[in-house]
Amino acid sequence: DADVTQTPRNRITKTGKRIMLECSQTKGHDRMYWYRQDPGLGLRLIYYSFDVKDINKGEISDGYSVSRQAQAKFSLSLESAIPNQTALYFCATSANRGGTDTQYFGPGTRLTVL
Amino acid sequence: AQRVTQPEKLLSVFKGAPVELKCNYSYSGSPELFWYVQYSRQRLQLLLRHISRESIKGFTADLNKGETSFHLKKPFAQEEDSAMYYCALLAGSSNTGKLIFGQGTTLQVKP
Repeated sequence: DADVTQTPRNRITKTGKRIMLECSQTKGHDRMYWYRQDPGLGLRLIYYSFDVKDINKGEISDGYSVSRQAQAKFSLSLESAIPNQTALYFCATSANRGGTDTQYFGPGTRLTVL
Repeated sequence: AQRVTQPEKLLSVFKGAPVELKCNYSYSGSPELFWYVQYSRQRLQLLLRHISRESIKGFTADLNKGETSFHLKKPFAQEEDSAMYYCALLAGSSNTGKLIFGQGTTLQVKP
């Protein structure tokens, strides 16, 4: 679904560097989420936001921070990247009609930390 | 603890064979469960949710609270069903939208 975009799609960086992953959506959804996907572990929630002023930690927020610059934009930052943050990162959105709403995912960003 | 377990990393079947992708969950309240699917080179997308009691692309999933399971089934697999399948549990209150995903099962349907 091209309504949820992520940049960059691939990134290779070095240990200790600061990295920002960006997510934009044109679906008009209030809720946005960041997940990471690791082989054998599935998707795990890093941070989620219900609106611009409401940001919450997920199950694995350590080492990450986020910024909700606007309803349509939700950025994930790695302040000082480390190799075990090498993963596939997904952004998702959902409408604010209750928790059972479908989540719409972006294409993913493949991050490699050397 | 809230947890979703998909015991099979890979399930390989022949075209036309029945398919059952297993999902077990751990949750103290009344669970709300979903199946998401990721086809090759496509995005992760919702396949079905248990509250809708729907059949999508021939797949069904029944919530069994006694066995804490939400297995995904299809009577006759097709090659286009080959994909990664994730079972997900809505965590916390129903308004949060927080999903806990299982580890995923790759379904391979051979011709």
